[in-house]
Parts: sequence; structure tokens; C-alpha cells
Amino acid sequence: QQPVQSPQAVILREGEDAVINCSSSKALYSVHWYRQKHGEAPVFLMILLKGGEQKGHDKISASFNEKKQQSSLYLTASQLSYSGTYFCGTEIGRDDKIIFGKGTRLHILP
Amino acid sequence: EPEVTQTPSHQVTQMGQEVILRCVPISNHLYFYWYRQILGQKVEFLVSFYNNEISEKSEIFDDQFSVERPDGSNFTLKIRSTKLEDSAMYFCASSGEFGSEQYFGPGTRLTVT
Repeated sequence: QQPVQSPQAVILREGEDAVINCSSSKALYSVHWYRQKHGEAPVFLMILLKGGEQKGHDKISASFNEKKQQSSLYLTASQLSYSGTYFCGTEIGRDDKIIFGKGTRLHILP
Repeated sequence: EPEVTQTPSHQVTQMGQEVILRCVPISNHLYFYWYRQILGQKVEFLVSFYNNEISEKSEIFDDQFSVERPDGSNFTLKIRSTKLEDSAMYFCASSGEFGSEQYFGPGTRLTVT
């Protein structure tokens, strides 16, 4: 079951904040966040696991509400380099495949 | 910094031909994946591979597809008889543990004419 991401697209000015959401209709084991710039490969940002463990880059923050099966990615004081498409991917079980959402396109204006 | 590499970067083939996409995962990783991304769309899981066998595959990964780790470093995706709808960017990824962060290669753009 594909996770649903919102919003589909965001335009910000440099320095502004953004929140990208990801929700699933199924109980999740983990949520993965990746960023993909145009014409490039997805780059790992963060994993959030059931039970509260997180692993990722220091400058990225995210939350995982296990009861609601929702995750949010917080981008604060956005920089031009944050532009790209953000994908969340969800796992139902520990050894399950990652199913990615359709992505949220983020465009940062100078 | 270790990285996943893929060759070729772009492959053009005629419908019905066989193609082999090659990947060299990060050397100490044990889990390998292939994904597909049609232009402008989401990243779609194809297959995961561990301990010389397929761990999981999606509905997309039908009998036309196969994966192999022919030696200690390469991981290949073969499409036996390509169709127009196979045109996409194919990404290889690897991870040290199943479910941990995956490192993606730069992708192979496959164009089927």
C-alpha cells in the first residue's frame, strides 16, 4: 500500500520552514525519507523506526507517530540546496520492501 | 566515500532485445536492490537480493526480469525481452542491513524504441 505524501509541491523563499507529511493506512515498522534532485539518484535523509529509534543526518529532523501511522519531515531555515523531490518510503515489517510515495516537490527561491 | 556505481549510464535498445544493467554495490554491503523510476514519477521497488537469492520482488518483476550476482562485486538486472513500457531510469541500491539506509547508484536510463 503506497504511502500518501502531502503537499504535492511547495515553493518557499530561502530561510523559510516547511513540513512534509507522509501517511499510511497500514501499521508501519519504519519510515524512510530520501531527497532526489532532478536527474540524480535519491539520497538518504533519515529512517524512523517503530519504537522511537531514528537514524539520519544531523540537520534533518522528522517525527513518526506510530498510532496515526504518520511521519513528518521538518525543513527549517531552508537553503537553496534543499530544492528537490522528497520521497517517503514505508516498511510494514522489518524485512519488508520499501514502498515509496509519489513525492513532494520542494522549490526554494532566493 | 564508498559509492554504488552503475553501467551504462544510458542504454538504448530495440523492443524485444535483451538488456543487462550492471551495478557494483558498496563493498561491505550485503543487501542489494533494484528500483525503477519512470520519468517524473515515483521510485518503484523491483527486487531485493541477499545471500545469493531474491528476498522479495514486486508485481513489476515478472518472468522477463532476472537478477544475478555473478561474482563478488557485480549485481546485474537482466530484462529478457524489452517492451516500450520498460523505458525508465533503473537504480541499483545497497545497504549494510535489511531495512537500514540504502545507498543509490546514479542510475541507468533505459530507452526502448
